[in-house]
Amino acid sequence: NAGVMQNPRHLVRRRGQEARLRCSPMKGHSHVYWYRQLPEEGLKFMVYLQKENIIDESGMPKERFSAEFPKEGPSILRIQQVVRGDSAAYFCASSPGQAQLNTEAFFGQGTRLTVV
Amino acid sequence: SQQGEEDPQALSIQEGENATMNCSYKTSINNLQWYRQNSGRGLVHLILIRSNEREKHSGRLRVTLDTSKKSSSLLITASRAADTASYFCATDASRSNYKLTFGKGTLLTVNP
Repeated sequence: NAGVMQNPRHLVRRRGQEARLRCSPMKGHSHVYWYRQLPEEGLKFMVYLQKENIIDESGMPKERFSAEFPKEGPSILRIQQVVRGDSAAYFCASSPGQAQLNTEAFFGQGTRLTVV
Repeated sequence: SQQGEEDPQALSIQEGENATMNCSYKTSINNLQWYRQNSGRGLVHLILIRSNEREKHSGRLRVTLDTSKKSSSLLITASRAADTASYFCATDASRSNYKLTFGKGTLLTVNP
């Protein structure tokens, strides 16, 4: 049973370009969470999605960032017109249902975005 | 405000010694989890302790939780060089149990 799969592992973009990060949850998991980790910081919650629904996007910047989790295919985190401050590691986690009491979320290996 | 905050920020010990890391948080929680992150890698889940539990063991790991003090500790016994990593605590607040809040982590270095 493969874990949470994120790709690409590393992504380099020039300022102003778009970055698309993909996350395939564990088999049987229908809930996805995106987190961002700035250098030497802890992870910060960005968005929580179920299939075709955004449940909580309170951690997402208001502009340039969007996320989706379509009925078919992986969850996508899109960053438009990237700036240097977007350089970070972006982690995806999944759980079988809404993270219930006493359950863990499984994290992927992350995508490291570098904006040059 | 930071929910989870680890202490110390960095810890350097010799192989075979024990390592203790602490985590403090501010609001009521459902669970507290500890994760490990090797340099430049993903997160590995270590242990979850529920708010009604006081202590939990897993192999060489021992976690305590004191909800009255809003603090937790992670003890790694008989440390190995392979334990070198950053260790994070993560809490989920009672009202938003799907949203984990991480501290900045403790960087543990175990010298051979």
